[in-house]
Amino acid sequence: ETGVTQTPRHLVMGMTNKKSLKCEQHLGHNAMYWYKQSAKKPLELMFVYNFKEQTENNSVPSRFSPECPNSSHLFLHLHTLQPEDSALYLCASSQEIDAGSYEQYFGPGTRLTVT
Amino acid sequence: DQQVKQNSPSLSVQEGRISILNCDYTNSMFDYFLWYKKYPAEGPTFLISISSIKDKNEDGRFTVFLNKSAKHLSLHIVPSQPGDSAVYFCAASARWIGETSGSRLTFGEGTQLTVNP
Repeated sequence: ETGVTQTPRHLVMGMTNKKSLKCEQHLGHNAMYWYKQSAKKPLELMFVYNFKEQTENNSVPSRFSPECPNSSHLFLHLHTLQPEDSALYLCASSQEIDAGSYEQYFGPGTRLTVT
Repeated sequence: DQQVKQNSPSLSVQEGRISILNCDYTNSMFDYFLWYKKYPAEGPTFLISISSIKDKNEDGRFTVFLNKSAKHLSLHIVPSQPGDSAVYFCAASARWIGETSGSRLTFGEGTQLTVNP
C-alpha cells in the first residue's frame, strides 16, 4: 500500500450505532488530520494530530472521538450520530518540519450516511 | 466567515485552451497557498503551491500566480486537457507558532472544471 488509505470507503449507520473509521499513512509523515466535507461546502478541519498528540479540536461535537495510537494510524470513533453528520470524511497526513511543510496528502475518504 | 473563497462554482473550457481558476482570501496572515484537484470518489490530490514570498510558481502545464496586495491567487492550466476535468480547491495556510504545530489548511468551496474535447 502506498500513500494514505482509509477504510471503509462507504458506511451506512443508524443513529444509535457505534462505528469507527480507520486511516493509515505509508508516507512516514508525523502529522495526521481528519476533515469533513459536506455537499457544496468547503473541507472543514476536525482534528489535528502532530507527533501523536492532538493539537487541535476544531469545535467538533463529542459524538466524534479521534484516536491516534501511533504516527501511522488515525481512527475516528463515531457514536450516536445525527443525519446531518452524513458527509465525506477525509484523512490527510503531512510531514512537519521546523521550516514548515504545508502539503497535506489525502486518502480517498469514507462516505458516511447516517439513517 | 469564509476566509478563502472561490467565487466560480464551475468553469467550462475547450481542450487546448487556457483554464484560469481564481481564489480570493481575506486573512493577511496566510503565507502559503495550495491548489488541490479532486476527482469523484477520490480524495483531493496536491497539485501546486506557492509561498507568499513569490508571485509565481510553475510546474509543467500548471502555473499559480499570487497577488498579495489584492489577496488573490489564480491557477492557470495550459493547454487544458479533458483529463483535467475535476473539482479544484484552493487552500491557504498560516504557520502556527507554539511548541506543537501542524499545518492548518483553510479551503475554498471548489470550482468544477470541465474541459470539452
